[in-house]
Amino acid sequence: SQTIHQWPATLVQPVGSPLSLECTVEGTSNPNLYWYRQAAGRGLQLLFYSVGIGQISSEVPQNLSASRPQDRQFILSSKKLLLSDSGFYLCAWSVLGLEYFGPGTRLTVL
Amino acid sequence: QKEVEQDPGPLSVPEGAIVSLNCTYSNSAFQYFMWYRQYSRKGPELLMYTYSSGNKEDGRFTAQVDKSSKYISLFIRDSQPSDSATYLCAMIGYWGSQGNLIFGKGTKLSVKP
Repeated sequence: SQTIHQWPATLVQPVGSPLSLECTVEGTSNPNLYWYRQAAGRGLQLLFYSVGIGQISSEVPQNLSASRPQDRQFILSSKKLLLSDSGFYLCAWSVLGLEYFGPGTRLTVL
Repeated sequence: QKEVEQDPGPLSVPEGAIVSLNCTYSNSAFQYFMWYRQYSRKGPELLMYTYSSGNKEDGRFTAQVDKSSKYISLFIRDSQPSDSATYLCAMIGYWGSQGNLIFGKGTKLSVKP
């Protein structure tokens, strides 16, 4: 069966610090991978999606970036965090349209 | 007009009640419809998915799609406190789309014992 991991689960970072969130998927090959942000009252906001290694599509222009160095690894990064980057970050994978989410990382930027 | 509209609630019902959760959408190209359940501080989990119009039942849950009205529903029978969560609808045009699902903002449900 497929499993998706995210870490860390919780993160508190100062404004201006860098960020690296990691997501890995087990039990499937060549999945589509997604990064979402969920802020209170704003629903799920798609940040990036990837259909393969090194292939990243950005949905929202901002100070975040994503990379996919391996088939089942997806990384979300920032060089300098802003207060507005606080939120619940979710990684998801899909095959044939259905999306399955990871446990999420709660990021607080102070 | 937003592509998917969902009343955020909160919706509070007594244990044992029948719950109706709904979404409307504007894009007639949507063919596949999903419902996700998200407990507080957890990732969303896929509950059910349906194709085109009609009903699909899974235990206490029934998903209903009315494409002519662009309206989908999730019914929960004999609701339990453990059903307290945020429910998100989602939809897509066809399997294999390289884009992502379009999500509603979610309805927060509270089932009181």
